[in-house]
Amino acid sequence: QITLKESGPTLVRPTQTLTLTCTFSGFSLYTGGVGVGWIRQPPGKALEWLAIIYWDDDKRYSPSLKTRLTITKDTSQSQVVLTLTNVDPVDTATYYCGQRPSFAVSGTHFHNWGQGTLVTVSS
Amino acid sequence: QSVLTQPPSASGTPGQTVIISCSGSTSNIGSHSVDWYQHFPGTAPKLLIYKNDQRPSGVPDRFSGSKSGTSASLAIGRLRSEDEADYYCAAWDDNLSGVFGGGTKLTVL
Repeated sequence: QITLKESGPTLVRPTQTLTLTCTFSGFSLYTGGVGVGWIRQPPGKALEWLAIIYWDDDKRYSPSLKTRLTITKDTSQSQVVLTLTNVDPVDTATYYCGQRPSFAVSGTHFHNWGQGTLVTVSS
Repeated sequence: QSVLTQPPSASGTPGQTVIISCSGSTSNIGSHSVDWYQHFPGTAPKLLIYKNDQRPSGVPDRFSGSKSGTSASLAIGRLRSEDEADYYCAAWDDNLSGVFGGGTKLTVL
């Protein structure tokens, strides 16, 4: 059974750095083709693709957020970390992590998702 | 504004077939496969269709996907009240990132 769970602060002050952790089980980032991505959804708005990291440490970012985002992995701990610098109230959203399976052909194929974590940016 | 364009809303009565469209460009849908998600607010999105027309195990065959050129479609047949949710298309883009549609809110009348 594959599970993913997001963790991190629920409230962040403007200009601070947001750090979120995705802890997963049931699959490994040692496996070729596997990836873990991050997606967010601001309240009342659409899903937004943020970033993905692959088993070989290849990383891709949303062009609009590339300068503020960093994605890393700790394969031995089955964790993927996303950091977003210089946050603003518009970054308030539910943040999800998702598993890209080894047989996927794209970076938007997330077969399993975490439950999401709501992050509020406010002073 | 989302890179992929979906109608904001769609509706149908039980038993009907509803089709949700997703329009993109040559840099995304025109060059890469499309995935579709079902999302009930407050829960995790669920993968409905991947690689244009493939269903994950457990997804009913009432859900089907297709792609032609720079557009894709999700068809929901034999519509049921529990299908009332938000639906999103997604695709890779040549700028080396993923993109989602703006979402379509499906109402079962």
